[in-house]
Amino acid sequence: NAGVMQNPRHLVRRRGQEARLRCSPMKGHSHVYWYRQLPEEGLKFMVYLQKENIIDESGMPKERFSAEFPKEGPSILRIQQVVRGDSAAYFCASSTDGSKNIQYFGAGTRLSVL
Amino acid sequence: KQEVTQIPAALSVPEGENLVLNCSFTDSAIYNLQWFRQDPGKGLTSLLLIQSSQREQTSGRLNASLDKSSGRSTLYIAASQPGDSATYLCAVNGGSQGNLIFGKGTKLSVKP
Repeated sequence: NAGVMQNPRHLVRRRGQEARLRCSPMKGHSHVYWYRQLPEEGLKFMVYLQKENIIDESGMPKERFSAEFPKEGPSILRIQQVVRGDSAAYFCASSTDGSKNIQYFGAGTRLSVL
Repeated sequence: KQEVTQIPAALSVPEGENLVLNCSFTDSAIYNLQWFRQDPGKGLTSLLLIQSSQREQTSGRLNASLDKSSGRSTLYIAASQPGDSATYLCAVNGGSQGNLIFGKGTKLSVKP
């Protein structure tokens, strides 16, 4: 049973480009969470999704960021027109249940904006 | 607003020592609390999950306790080893949505 898979592991973008981060949850998990870890900061919640639905996006910046979790395929975190301040590690976690169960984390995608 | 604090920020101990990492949270209305380990440049590994109705959980040399009323949790590591060197993160699940609120972590270094 493969764990949470994130790709790419490392992503380099120039300012103004788009970044797409992918997350495949563990088999049987239908709840996905995205977190961001800025340099020297703790992890911060961004968005919580279930299949085809955004449940809570209270941690998402209002502009340039969007997320989806389609019926088929991985969850995608999309950052448009990236800026240097977007450089961070982005982690995805999945669980079987949205409230009480363990969240399993992927290895993360490290985004560097030049 | 829930805030999670971890003390100390960094800790260096000789191999074999028993140690305690501390985590405090401001709102006692939590569903559960989870301890993670993060190695440099890597993802998070879940160590222990304590539900709000539980007082402690044990896994091997690790023991985590939870005192909801005082807003505290401790992670006890027995007979520390150099391989335990990592950053340890405490995270609180405070709502029905399940999103975790993290502390900034304790960076542990175990010297051989």
